[in-house]
Amino acid sequence: SYDLNQPVSLSVALGQTATITCGGHNIATKFVHWYQQRPGQAPVLVIYRDNNRPSGIPERFSGSNSGNTATLTITTAQPGDEAVYYCQVWDSSTLFGGGTKLTVL
Amino acid sequence: EVQVVESGGGKVQPGESLGLSCSASGFTVDRHYMAWVRQAPGKGLEWVSTVYPGGDTYFAESVRGRFTISRHTSDNTVSLHMSSLRSEDTAVYYCVRAISDNNDYRYYFDSWGQGTLLTVSS
Repeated sequence: SYDLNQPVSLSVALGQTATITCGGHNIATKFVHWYQQRPGQAPVLVIYRDNNRPSGIPERFSGSNSGNTATLTITTAQPGDEAVYYCQVWDSSTLFGGGTKLTVL
Repeated sequence: EVQVVESGGGKVQPGESLGLSCSASGFTVDRHYMAWVRQAPGKGLEWVSTVYPGGDTYFAESVRGRFTISRHTSDNTVSLHMSSLRSEDTAVYYCVRAISDNNDYRYYFDSWGQGTLLTVSS
């Protein structure tokens, strides 16, 4: 089975840049999608197909995918960005990473 | 406005069955990939099942043979019927619309419901 590895937690200072990684073997050959889940809420799509933002998602959110690591980057981190972020790919079935809890200090 | 709303959650005993329903508005379910994703208490997201626009259905190994998914064009709903329920099926179940730009399995989930809680416990 295909493994997606995300750090369990990450802290970023207010106004700084957060970089959340999603590791997997040759993940660059797959489309990676990212979801934000704030406490008590349903997930929200923030990046699809590696680096595309849905309408309504701030430009501060961006994505990249190369080699064995996909990355979600959040610039100028805000308190409202505190959430768990999940990556998702397809490999024989739909898979989610374990999620990264982002704390904005 | 695209919206999906789940209903049907509740508490059941191990071995029992239950059906969840998802009411869609702003789009037609038979023209989209529709899926169920669940989240056990305090845990991450787990894909459960997807029905493709052509009608093909797919299931996670953990539920295959116990769960079925179906669409109802008459009222624009999607349902998930769950049988032989186990304690490990306890979770919030989200109904989700999926988009595939290539009309294949490489879809992403663009619209999520608020979820409905299923508790399996004696």
